[in-house]
Formats: sequence, structure tokens, C-alpha cells
Amino acid sequence: GAVVSQHPSWVICKSGTSVKIECRSLDFQATTMFWYRQFPKQSLMLMATSNEGSKATYEQGVEKDKFLINHASLTLSTLTVTSAHPEDSSFYICSAFRGGGLVNTGELFFGEGSRLTVL
Amino acid sequence: SQQGEEDPQALSIQEGENATMNCSYKTSINNLQWYRQNSGRGLVHLILIRSNEREKHSGRLRVTLDTSKKSSSLLITASRAADTASYFCATGEGRRALTFGSGTRLQVQP
Repeated sequence: GAVVSQHPSWVICKSGTSVKIECRSLDFQATTMFWYRQFPKQSLMLMATSNEGSKATYEQGVEKDKFLINHASLTLSTLTVTSAHPEDSSFYICSAFRGGGLVNTGELFFGEGSRLTVL
Repeated sequence: SQQGEEDPQALSIQEGENATMNCSYKTSINNLQWYRQNSGRGLVHLILIRSNEREKHSGRLRVTLDTSKKSSSLLITASRAADTASYFCATGEGRRALTFGSGTRLQVQP
């Protein structure tokens, strides 16, 4: 199956610093990627939709200036948590959409997640 | 936003027993998927059931779908300790993001 890679898999940072998480589709091009956040023992909550070459679409309640998303190429989307604070500590998971040969066909693939701990 | 609720939130069983998890959703769907997540890891796709299907099997997994009740269930038969994980149902299709249920944490005691 298709592979989506996230890096780093875990990161610890000091409060006030910025952290960048990368999401790469390794063997396919993904014009659309999604970023989720998951707090302990909770479900995945969609943060934003990342479209290659255009601005990301953020879900209600997600601060676009705090969670910067850049989808600069067809295989890479990045999420930057700016001025991170302890409440931003979470598990961040990306998914990438691989289109099928027909309109409205395709499949989503998930990265392994990145655990952010802000001290 | 979450599509719906799953129950139970947590389930603890002995190896060899069956585990049943239920999922309810809110909107009309074309398909529903089930995922597994080991602690601190990414998601593993288990099975997809289409809206015109009522039941689907894959190995020890059995999924049912009742669109009139907007509910689905996942049955794991003859559970193993390695089945310990969280299980999520999810809806959504095409280029849209998946919306996940609240999840069931399954603990299988050896």
C-alpha cells in the first residue's frame, strides 16, 4: 500500500518555540492532505485541509496563525506549531489522499503521527 | 467535528472471547470504515463497508451496517492479546477528510 511518512515521530520543545512537522507521501502525489490532532484517550479531530498550491482550510476553532500549514509540493505538507505552549502538547496525524483513475475515486493514507510535548 | 459516538468507550475481555464495538453516525453516508490504532501509533485501515451492504467479513472481523439506524458494529472474534488497541469508525469519502467516532479502547487480557 501507499506510504505516508511523518517526521519527527516525537518532539519535545520549550514553551514559546515553534515546531515544524512534515508529512510526506512517499510513492504517490497528494494534492490534498489533512491534519488531525488527537489528545490522550480521545478521537482524532480534523484541524485543517491542506491543498497543494493554495491556502489551507481550517476547521472552526483552529487558529490559522498558530498552526501554519504549507503544502508546497505534491508530496509534502508541513504543519508548524508557532509559539507552542503546553496545551498544544498532542499527537498530530496527517493523511494524504491518493486519487484513483476515475473521478471521485481514491483512498486516504495515514502517517504514523507525531507526538509533541511542550514543556 | 466528530461524526458520532462509539460504545463502549472501553472494553476489557479475555483472550479467546469476542469483542463487539458499536458506532453511531449522524449524516447520510456512502460508506463507513473502521480503523485500528495501537497506543501512540498511526491508524491502520481495517475494513470498509458500503451503504448498500449490511454485513462484511475480513478474517476475524465482522462489520455490520444499519443505515436506517445510522449505526455500525465491529465484531472481533476469538480475540488475541495483540488485538489490544483503540478502534474507530469513520465516515467520509472522496477528497473530503474522514470524520471519526469517539473510539473504543479494547484491552484483551492474555
